[in-house]
Amino acid sequence: EAGVTQSPTHLIKTRGQQATLRCSPISGHTSVYWYQQALGLGLQFLLWYDEGEERNRGNFPPRFSGRQFPNYSSELNVNALELEDSALYLCASSLGISLSEKLFFGSGTQLSVL
Amino acid sequence: KNEVEQSPQNLTAQEGEFITINCSYSVGISALHWLQQHPGGGIVSLFMLSSGKKKHGRLIATINIQEKHSSLHITASHPRDSAVYICAVPEGAQKLVFGQGTRLTINP
Repeated sequence: EAGVTQSPTHLIKTRGQQATLRCSPISGHTSVYWYQQALGLGLQFLLWYDEGEERNRGNFPPRFSGRQFPNYSSELNVNALELEDSALYLCASSLGISLSEKLFFGSGTQLSVL
Repeated sequence: KNEVEQSPQNLTAQEGEFITINCSYSVGISALHWLQQHPGGGIVSLFMLSSGKKKHGRLIATINIQEKHSSLHITASHPRDSAVYICAVPEGAQKLVFGQGTRLTINP
């Protein structure tokens, strides 16, 4: 069974551009979480989607947005990129909406903003 | 808001040593996650526990709900155990809060 897949693996953009990151959850998982891990910092919660709806978002500006498609895959969009957006972006999926469900992580997208 | 503290931040040990990583949190929780992040970024969920103890191979996780504390133990440590270990707890029903991680290095 395929795990959580993320694309692209690496993404290089310049300041002001837009970035789109993609995530496919494990088959049957309806919840998708996005996290940011900046260099030297811990994981920060970005967004949570379940059944196509945004359930919660972390303390990030509105230029971080996303969506979840009917097949439960998800996109994270970052507009007006800033240098400090350079980070590893991780996607995770789980079977249900409870935070007591085990999380399965993708390998991440390394975003570099120049 | 749930505050999560891990200790130590960095730990270097020799192969074969018994390893303990600690996690404390400030608000009562339903479950606690232990994650392992390898160089390169990939994260694996090791344990999710809400009480007592869980064991998987050489890894043991314990939690004391009353004291708001959890420990991750590694027996007979091996260089391939070198990774960052992260604990995470729910904040409310919709968000996980992560510790800063413990960077473990096991030397041969």
